[in-house]
Amino acid sequence: KAGVTQTPRYLIKTRGQQVTLSCSPISGHRSVSWYQQTPGQGLQFLFEYFSETQRNKGNFPGRFSGRQFSNSRSEMNVSTLELGDSALYLCASSYGQGDEQYFGPGTRLTVT
Amino acid sequence: EDQVTQSPEALRLQEGESSSLNCSYTVSGLRGLFWYRQDPGKGPEFLFTLYSAGEEKEKERLKATLTKKESFLHITAPKPEDSATYLCAVLVYSGGGADGLTFGKGTHLIIQP
Repeated sequence: KAGVTQTPRYLIKTRGQQVTLSCSPISGHRSVSWYQQTPGQGLQFLFEYFSETQRNKGNFPGRFSGRQFSNSRSEMNVSTLELGDSALYLCASSYGQGDEQYFGPGTRLTVT
Repeated sequence: EDQVTQSPEALRLQEGESSSLNCSYTVSGLRGLFWYRQDPGKGPEFLFTLYSAGEEKEKERLKATLTKKESFLHITAPKPEDSATYLCAVLVYSGGGADGLTFGKGTHLIIQP
């Protein structure tokens, strides 16, 4: 069974721009969660989607948003990028809420 | 506020030298505790889920245990390929179901040949 895939793997953007990251979950998984990983803060929860609905949201500003499609694929968007948004963005999928999550390889975002 | 603390931050062992990593947590309404392994430049790899105090899980040289306040990841006779960052995370109940995972900062483990 194929794992979680994320595209693109690397991205360089300029302050003020916006970016969209994509995640395809493991086949059959309906829950998709997004995390931000930085050396200083570690892994932090952004939001979770289940059956196309955002079920939970972490403590991040409204510039961070996401959506999930009917095939469970998910996208996250960051608007008005700031230097501090440079991070590894990880997507994880699970069969249902509360089940073990399987992570993708991440998208490395650099904001200059 | 839910807190997860891992210790030590870094650990260097000789090949074959067994040790334990600690994950202590302060949460209300624990739904599950998860252990992951992360290699540089990669996403975390799922290892174990523990749901209740007294539970134990094993996989090759790794064994995870859970009490009401902490979890241990025991590594028996480690090999260099066990070198990685080991992450502990908790999932808690909330009004909306289950929140996202709250992660500790990890233990960076190096196994020297």
